[in-house]
Amino acid sequence: GAGVSQSPSNKVTEKGKDVELRCDPISGHTALYWYRQSLGQGLEFLIYFQGNSAPDKSGLPSDRFSAERTGGSVSTLTIQRTQQEDSAVYLCASSLWTGGETQYFGPGTRLLVL
Amino acid sequence: DAKTTQPPSMDCAEGRAANLPCNHSTISGNEYVYWYRQIHSQGPQYIIHGLKNNETNEMASLIITEDRKSSTLILPHATLRDTAVYYCIASAGGTSYGKLTFGQGTILTVHP
Repeated sequence: GAGVSQSPSNKVTEKGKDVELRCDPISGHTALYWYRQSLGQGLEFLIYFQGNSAPDKSGLPSDRFSAERTGGSVSTLTIQRTQQEDSAVYLCASSLWTGGETQYFGPGTRLLVL
Repeated sequence: DAKTTQPPSMDCAEGRAANLPCNHSTISGNEYVYWYRQIHSQGPQYIIHGLKNNETNEMASLIITEDRKSSTLILPHATLRDTAVYYCIASAGGTSYGKLTFGQGTILTVHP
């Protein structure tokens, strides 16, 4: 079956612009996770969803970052007033439910802020 | 999640077994050991996980010491396509809602 998909695959934007990143999880997966990987760095956890609810948003780097999930499926990560330090690969993963389950990752969105 | 320590890099000849070590001396009783890998420019890929017992699947074997303070991922017959960054993660699953804390991992290079 289809895996986790993310769009766009690449995004170049100018500093100060807003960007929206999309994640389509595996059908039936109730848990969805967002991570960020900066150049040469490890993966940094941002936020997770159980259904449409995001119980813990403390991993988001600043209040310019927000995320939502609708219909227990598609999720969007929005970055407002982008800064150069936001340049990174944004990865989405899904699993059947939260906790102890294999996470399946998408290919990521490569964001470059000029 | 318990901190894990891995060597920064390892080499392996194609066709030989690759044994990747991981130390997790502060692991708690409810934390699983997970292994993921990330091939260049791709998202991480799940390999295997275990709690106490050794585990084997079609990709690899996981050997966990009796005191659970360390583990070894074994790729029995490494191929060039196994060249990747391998991450060892200790996670409590349900109590940490599945959040994975990735370290720097081990860069495994498989050479002909």
